[in-house]
Amino acid sequence: ILNVEQSPQSLHVQEGDSTNFTCSFPSSNFYALHWYRWETAKSPEALFVMTLNGDEKKKGRISATLNTKEGYSYLYIKGSQPEDSATYLCAPTPEYGNKLVFGAGTILRVKS
Amino acid sequence: GAVVSQHPSWVICKSGTSVKIECRSLDFQATTMFWYRQFPKQSLMLMATSNEGSKATYEQGVEKDKFLINHASLTLSTLTVTSAHPEDSSFYICSAQEEETQYFGPGTRLLVL
Repeated sequence: ILNVEQSPQSLHVQEGDSTNFTCSFPSSNFYALHWYRWETAKSPEALFVMTLNGDEKKKGRISATLNTKEGYSYLYIKGSQPEDSATYLCAPTPEYGNKLVFGAGTILRVKS
Repeated sequence: GAVVSQHPSWVICKSGTSVKIECRSLDFQATTMFWYRQFPKQSLMLMATSNEGSKATYEQGVEKDKFLINHASLTLSTLTVTSAHPEDSSFYICSAQEEETQYFGPGTRLLVL
């Protein structure tokens, strides 16, 4: 069973602040790392799928990096906006297209 | 694109009854769908993998006779909680896979009285 840890558990920032969270996972038996954004009462939204060590992906003000050798991924949000408020989930998968193992998530609240 | 719907969004039922939850991929076909459960203050936990035209694969500790999964078409998977009990009260959420990404429905909150 993969042990996936996300930190911090929650984060409160002011509008305009940049922020980042961490996802840690076992580096062995790794295939891909998924990031999702989950707003209350909505479906989790897929942000990134990353597979290669050193991968960096960007979507608007959000970007993510991946280190498969040491088993971590960072998610960055530049210039946080209130609409970024959500729970951010990471989920590594040990094999193709299967068995997302979710972390507990980081709850982000952005105050205007 | 890649929208997944789930119905109902919430349901209250009496102990001993069965509840069916539907998961549909609206704009793509999904050979594989997944069912997750989330208890309060816990992570999403995979219950089973649903494969179109074949039997579902259940995770360890998930009773296949209690949580019946049917994936009869490429756009629909159903989860039936049979003889529901209060301990089955939880948040159930499905996903459908397209290429390397799983797209999630909005979830179903089940309360068993």
